[in-house]
Amino acid sequence: EVQLVESGGGLVKPGGSLRLSCAASGFTFRIYSMAWVRQAPGKGLEWVSSISPSSSSTHYADSVMGRFAISRDDAKNSLYLQMDRLRAEDTALYYCVRLDASETFYMGCWGQGTLVTVSS
Amino acid sequence: QSALTQPPSVSGSPGQSVTISCTGTSSDVGSYDRISWYQQPPGTAPKLMIYDVSKRPSGVPDRFSGSKSGNTASLTISGLQAEDEADYYCTSHASITWVFGGGTRLTVL
Repeated sequence: EVQLVESGGGLVKPGGSLRLSCAASGFTFRIYSMAWVRQAPGKGLEWVSSISPSSSSTHYADSVMGRFAISRDDAKNSLYLQMDRLRAEDTALYYCVRLDASETFYMGCWGQGTLVTVSS
Repeated sequence: QSALTQPPSVSGSPGQSVTISCTGTSSDVGSYDRISWYQQPPGTAPKLMIYDVSKRPSGVPDRFSGSKSGNTASLTISGLQAEDEADYYCTSHASITWVFGGGTRLTVL
């Protein structure tokens, strides 16, 4: 069974840092592109960042560029999101997502999310 | 890449059909078949329902179908059931970024 389990969320002050983790199981993690998608309380979905297999390329939404860093450890079947200089508007449920490919890419599998709250 | 436009809400009675639209531009929705749809019941994670405009993953009922015309993609749910009540999101991706629609709340009356 494919599973994505996020962890690392919590309460942090503005300007602080947090590192999210996503443990993957049930599939060959190293061959998949992965992503983080967030959802602010009561709001819609927002793509945050993506990473390709072998970490050969990474991409970020303008809203987090220069503050967040996505990475992966294929030996540990894990995805990470280092979040620095956090702002109140970063408060959200952060989902780990597997990107599947057919003729195009799509978000084939989602974790249950980890909540990040940025507040003084 | 700007957000895609979805109606905030739609509703229908059990057994009826509803269609949710997702409007972009000639630079995204109109140019590529990179459209997927996600269902999110209250308090749960999103679930893939449609990809590549009209393809259904295994396990998704054939009551769910997708299409595209010009700059607008659509998700149609036929034979509406109470369990279909959820938020629905479309998404499109350019070569390196992704954009979501604002979401549509489907209410089954």
